This record gives sequence, C-alpha cells and structure tokens, in this order.
Amino acid sequence: DTAVSQTPKYLVTQMGNDKSIKCEQNLGHDTMYWYKQDSKKFLKIMFSYNNKELIINETVPNRFSPKSPDKAHLNLHINSLELGDSAVYFCASSPRVAGVVETQYFGPGTRLLVL
Amino acid sequence: GQNIDQPTEMTATEGAIVQINCTYQTSGFNGLFWYQQHAGEAPTFLSYNVLDGLEEKGRFSSFLSRSKGYSYLLLKELQMKDSASYLCAVMDSNYQLIWGAGTKLIIKP
Repeated sequence: DTAVSQTPKYLVTQMGNDKSIKCEQNLGHDTMYWYKQDSKKFLKIMFSYNNKELIINETVPNRFSPKSPDKAHLNLHINSLELGDSAVYFCASSPRVAGVVETQYFGPGTRLLVL
Repeated sequence: GQNIDQPTEMTATEGAIVQINCTYQTSGFNGLFWYQQHAGEAPTFLSYNVLDGLEEKGRFSSFLSRSKGYSYLLLKELQMKDSASYLCAVMDSNYQLIWGAGTKLIIKP
C-alpha cells in the first residue's frame, strides 16, 4: 500500500479555474505538509497541519486554502489559478507534532500546469 | 536570511566515489537531512545528522560540521541508479525544514 498518496498526479487547467489536490497518508502520522517545488527545484513549505490544526502557514496567496478533514488527509484547494502556480506540489507527513525532529515522508507529487 | 548552498550539477563515473557538499546558514539548527529525488519522483530520506562527525549507511555516508555550517554526502561504488538529485535540508529553530535547490548527479558508464 502506498504510504502517502496524492491525486491527481497530473493536472492541466486554464487560468482562472479552481482546482483541488487531495492527499492521504496511511502511516498514522500526526503532521502533514504541503510543499511547492518550482522549476528551479527549490522545495518551499506552504502549510503544515498537526492533528487537523494549522501550525505553519507560510506567505502564500489567499487563493490557496488547505483543508484537513481528519489527521490522515490534507487537501489543497486553489482558487483563480495563475500561470505562476504551475509547479509540482508535494504532500508529506511526519510521525509527531512539531518541535520534535522526525523524518518527512513524501507523496508522489502533483504536476500542475496552468495554461 | 536562511540559506542552503549546494552545487547545481556533478558528474561521476560508475564505480567511482563522489562527494556532494552543502553549506548552510540558518536560524538555529536541529539537524541536517539528505534526501534523494529521482527525476519525476518524490524525495526520499537518506540520512540525518545532528552531531558532528560521519554517519555511514551502506554505500552512502553523511558528514556534519556544525561549527563550519557544512555537510557532505559521500556516495561510494556508484551505480547508474544513483543518478538523481540530492537535496540538503536543515531543520531550523522552529523545526521547519529549509531546503537547498539540490545537486543533480549524473553517472556515466
């Protein structure tokens, strides 16, 4: 079974549309993350949730809204997509709460292309 | 500001040894991670160092010097499957991972 899964793997859409990316982990981890990896390959943290509560919210546009229905799921909704949103979005999870050093486990990524 | 530097690209020969360097300047330090990322795939964990010295794990070793803000990943007996990007990441005082841009390693026969 896949530990951290994301859907869809590829997403091609028009500017101005609204889209969602889903993430699920079956590792029993408490903390989940969304990262954006741009064309220069930098991984940038966007959000982090611990047990459904937001703990990290980096400077990202309000068009990005994470939702965590339970601690195994962290979805990302993006409104009014822009060309600059094109990137690979990775979901990740780690075992414990923030403040403890734990390895992060990554999903396969969602390749978003905005036309 | 926080900064992680690593070479953009390196080339090595199958069977050889390669060392990938990483220097960092961060707000606090709670350890340094190395991840491997094959093209089109997710990063996968390789190693974690929080104390100075060398950690060996099979063909891969990772070294840390906190006083110098420096780490390296050493890959021995290179195989073609080692062709990938290697990402250095430092956990800062807020337990947030700060990532380098990665070093693309090309292995030639």
